[in-house]
Amino acid sequence: DGGITQSPKYLFRKEGQNVTLSCEQNLNHDAMYWYRQDPGQGLRLIYYSQIVNDFQKGDIAEGYSVSREKKESFPLTVTSAQKNPTAFYLCASREGKTSYNSPLHFGNGTRLTVT
Amino acid sequence: DAKTTQPPSMDCAEGRAANLPCNHSTISGNEYVYWYRQIHSQGPQYIIHGLKNNETNEMASLIITEDRKSSTLILPHATLRDTAVYYCIVRVYNQGGKLIFGQGTELSVKP
Repeated sequence: DGGITQSPKYLFRKEGQNVTLSCEQNLNHDAMYWYRQDPGQGLRLIYYSQIVNDFQKGDIAEGYSVSREKKESFPLTVTSAQKNPTAFYLCASREGKTSYNSPLHFGNGTRLTVT
Repeated sequence: DAKTTQPPSMDCAEGRAANLPCNHSTISGNEYVYWYRQIHSQGPQYIIHGLKNNETNEMASLIITEDRKSSTLILPHATLRDTAVYYCIVRVYNQGGKLIFGQGTELSVKP
């Protein structure tokens, strides 16, 4: 089945360590997105990429980095510079870099806990 | 960015229609309205989207007012599995197709 895979589902790290969250899609979608969700809150956009080797900052990019070397993969690194990294991280993808009306499809998220 | 306003919570009896309202009075002419839902600890699930015409799919119906300042998502026969947070979103045009999520409506379907 086609879909978006985020791994792992739960991740634990010590403060001061960088950590990379995986996002893979086999939907042949052009655009990919990373969102963050805090308890009781809506989703906030971290980074997005419309094509390979290109990405843009979202609303809360500070302390995060991404790469888009392959169409199917969009890993997110949470760096030690991120002040409040504990959150639920969601990856999404969308077909058609020029088709802005196509809906985003989401993975099932990675819950990161930093202590 | 066009913003949306939704009631924080709603109840619905199982088997009845659930009507979830959304106000988006600042929406622009080329901005679509999207609805997603999120069950606890899962990723948001796409439901439906529309521009100005009413839309229907296997999950729900979307009714958009003629002035496009509000819309209603209708789940025709709610089940307990429809209990979730429902998000009404206006897509930001020409910004990578990103979606801006608000707080959503927590729908509780009760037996």
